Amino acid sequence: QVQLQESGPRLVKPSETLSLTCNVSGVSISGYYWSWIRQPPGKGLEWIGYFYNSGSTNYNSSLASRVTFSGDTSKNQFSLLLTSATAADTAIYYCARGSWKIDSWGQGILVTVSS
Amino acid sequence: EIVLTQSPDTLSLSPGERATLSCRASQSVSSTYLAWYQQKPGQAPRPLISSVSIRIKGIPDRFSGSGSGTDFTLTISRLEPEDFAVYYCQQYSSSALTFGGGTKVEIK
Repeated sequence: QVQLQESGPRLVKPSETLSLTCNVSGVSISGYYWSWIRQPPGKGLEWIGYFYNSGSTNYNSSLASRVTFSGDTSKNQFSLLLTSATAADTAIYYCARGSWKIDSWGQGILVTVSS
Repeated sequence: EIVLTQSPDTLSLSPGERATLSCRASQSVSSTYLAWYQQKPGQAPRPLISSVSIRIKGIPDRFSGSGSGTDFTLTISRLEPEDFAVYYCQQYSSSALTFGGGTKVEIK
């Protein structure tokens, strides 16, 4: 059974880079698509993008200029970088498995952008 | 980008009642790429249905999905206490994934 766990700084200063890692257990990240999705407190879900470990990525066009995904098969984890963070990026960030169909989710990590 | 509009925003029902949730798309959505999720407070979304009507393993048969084109429906035949939650529809088209705004099913 696949399990995902997000980790990273929970407080980020405005204009800095938000960096999160998703540790995957129960399955190799190779051979699957992996996604990041976020949810501002009390609001709905926003897809950030997905990637395949071969290097193929697909980002939400509204975030594409600031987002980078990467994967590390040796650690069985994948990461999100979001540059130039603003208060609007404050959200619960979920890592998940899948591209168009999300079948497994991490528990989520609340990241606050504030000085 | 396809916009999904869910209605109503809130549905107030009693246990045992039938819940009908609507998801309307701004453009036609392939049936393969329409899914539903349930989210309870403090939890990650839980997959319920994929490809419009295919229940995910372990999901009770009181949950059913239907629809095509731009109009989709999630039906809960008889609400159990654990079903009171927020429900999201989601689609994937033209390499972009979008979610509806959610419908909250609350206890009347």
